[in-house]
Amino acid sequence: RKEVEQDPGPFNVPEGATVAFNCTYSNSASQSFFWYRQDCRKEPKLLMSVYSSGNEDGRFTAQLNRASQYISLLIRDSKLSDSATYLCVVLSGGAGNMLTFGGGTRLMVKP
Amino acid sequence: SQTIHQWPATLVQPVGSPLSLECTVEGTSNPNLYWYRQAAGRGLQLLFYSVGIGQISSEVPQNLSASRPQDRQFILSSKKLLLSDSGFYLCAGQQEDTQYFGPGTRLTVL
Repeated sequence: RKEVEQDPGPFNVPEGATVAFNCTYSNSASQSFFWYRQDCRKEPKLLMSVYSSGNEDGRFTAQLNRASQYISLLIRDSKLSDSATYLCVVLSGGAGNMLTFGGGTRLMVKP
Repeated sequence: SQTIHQWPATLVQPVGSPLSLECTVEGTSNPNLYWYRQAAGRGLQLLFYSVGIGQISSEVPQNLSASRPQDRQFILSSKKLLLSDSGFYLCAGQQEDTQYFGPGTRLTVL
C-alpha cells in the first residue's frame, strides 16, 4: 500500500463548479499535512497547509480527518487557472523531516 | 523567506556521460535540503536529503550520488547516466514544516 494515495483523475469540470479531492495516508504518526499545486512542467508550489480544525483560503478549503487518516481539498467556483495537478503531502517527521508526496490528482477546468 | 536556485533548466545528455546538477539556497542558513526526481506523469521520488554540510542520506539505491560541500549548496551527480535517469529533478529546502522547491532541471538521457 502506498503511504499517500490519491485518485490520479483527471477530474474534468466546467468553470464555476465545485470539486473535491481526497487523499489517504497510512502512517498514523504523521504530523503535518499539505496540499501543493503543480502546473505542467513546473515545480510544485505550496497551496495550503491542512490543520486539524480545517482551514479556508478564499475558494479553497482543506480538511483533515485523523481518525480516518484522510485529507480533503475543496475548490469552489473553479477557474480555468485552477487547472493543475494537486499533490497531497504528509510530513512523517523523523530524521530529515521528510515529506511523502501522493501521486497527484489532475484537474482540468473547462470553459 | 528562502529561495532555491537550480541550473541548468534543461539538459540533454548521452547515455554513459557524467552529470552534475547544482542547487543553491538563499535566505536561510543550515536548511535541510532534498533532491527529488519526477518521471513523466508520475509522482515525486525522494532521492537524497541532507541535514548539514557533508551529511547525505540516500533513499533509493541507484547510480546517482549527492554532496553538500557548503551549507547552501547541494549537488547531484552521476558518473555514468542511464536512460532511466531521465526525468525532472527538483531540489527543495525546508523551512519549518514546509518544503519549497527550486524550478527544477529537466534531464533527457539519449
